[in-house]
Formats: sequence, C-alpha cells, structure tokens
Amino acid sequence: ETGVTQSPTHLIKTRGQQVTLRCSSQSGHNTVSWYQQALGQGPQFIFQYYREEENGRGNFPPRFSGLQFPNYSSELNVNALELDDSALYLCASSRLTSGISRGELFFGEGSRLTVL
Amino acid sequence: AQSVTQLGSHVSVSEGALVLLRCNYSSSVPPYLFWYVQYPNQGLQLLLKYTSAATLVKGINGFEAEFKKSETSFHLTKPSAHMSDAAEYFCAVTPPGKGAQKLVFGQGTRLTINP
Repeated sequence: ETGVTQSPTHLIKTRGQQVTLRCSSQSGHNTVSWYQQALGQGPQFIFQYYREEENGRGNFPPRFSGLQFPNYSSELNVNALELDDSALYLCASSRLTSGISRGELFFGEGSRLTVL
Repeated sequence: AQSVTQLGSHVSVSEGALVLLRCNYSSSVPPYLFWYVQYPNQGLQLLLKYTSAATLVKGINGFEAEFKKSETSFHLTKPSAHMSDAAEYFCAVTPPGKGAQKLVFGQGTRLTINP
C-alpha cells in the first residue's frame, strides 16, 4: 500500500474524446509524475509537477496536459484521444530531491484507458 | 540520453532455483539505477536501488543486484525463487543531481515460477 490513489481504475472512451485522470499523492510528497504504460511495455515518462508547475516533460504531444493542486493531488488530461492512447496510466508521488532518495517513486495502481 | 535494455522478456524458473534477470544501461554520467516490481493489476513497487555507494545492493524479499560499471550492467538475482516472486520486473535509470526525477524504464521481464 503506497498511499497513492488513482481514479477511475478503468474507463473506455472513443477516438476524439477527452479524458481526465486523477491522482491523490502520498502524504508529505511534493512531486507527482505521470507515466504511460502500453501493453507489454515499460512505463514511459509523460511529465512531472512540482509545486504546481510542470518541471519536466517526456516525448508526448501538447494534448497531454496536467495540473497539480495545492494539496498535491493531480490530474492528467488527454485531448483528442487516439487509439494508441490506450494504456495503463500510472501516477507516482515523491519528494523532489538531489539526494540518495532520488528516483524513489511511489506508484498508484493505475487507470486503464481503452480508446475505441 | 539514457537507456535501459532488459535481456529476456520472459524468464521461467523452478521454485527454489536461482533467479537472474539481466539489465544493461547506457548513460553519459554515472546513473542511479533501480529495480521495480509490478504484481498483476498493481502499480510498481521499488525493490532496490543503486546510488553510487556499495556496488552490491540488497533489496526487499531477498533480492539483490550488483552494479558493474565495466559491463554497464545491473543484474537482479535471488538465490531461491518463491511462487510469490511471479511478477513483471523493470530496470530503470535516472541521472543524479537536480531537476525532474525522470525514470527511464526497460521493457520489463516477466518472471514465471514453476512448482
């Protein structure tokens, strides 16, 4: 149990629609990251938020956007859904650090998105 | 740029046998290295990490990994497999220092344990 909760757990959308996924971070964590995990693949970094600002982004188009709120909860929004967006979306919380705990992420169980 | 290659998308061992999952990395700077485990229908959980201290790292559930700079490897081992070890294992790398904590993951290795 990581203390990171995501909703919804499963959802189905059609191509062209928009989706919002939500994440509640672990208490005491100030950073949230989102990853996309396609079937049979490793997770891929979408972006990271620290103190409500995006502070790093992977190779994803602008139709992937996010928000982090003052209570450190977060949203991932995807516009104009495409079939290839079907994946497990993982939220991970952490404390932003340059120390030895860097990279220690606490993951939620994910939101599985199917785009038809 | 950093990358991770996991050799073998599927590994099958008998209960009680040695587990060896292979990971090679590419990084322009000495990286931090991680192994994460994903049980069915769950998120990822940190098994162990290397952060430039001891090259042999011990993690949870009896797993350990050895950092070998000359071979750019960080293989995961467990002396005796248990049925509960069946899961997907991911090797990951991130650069040390400041900035976004972006993890670059390998493709994963699915470990099956035969009774």
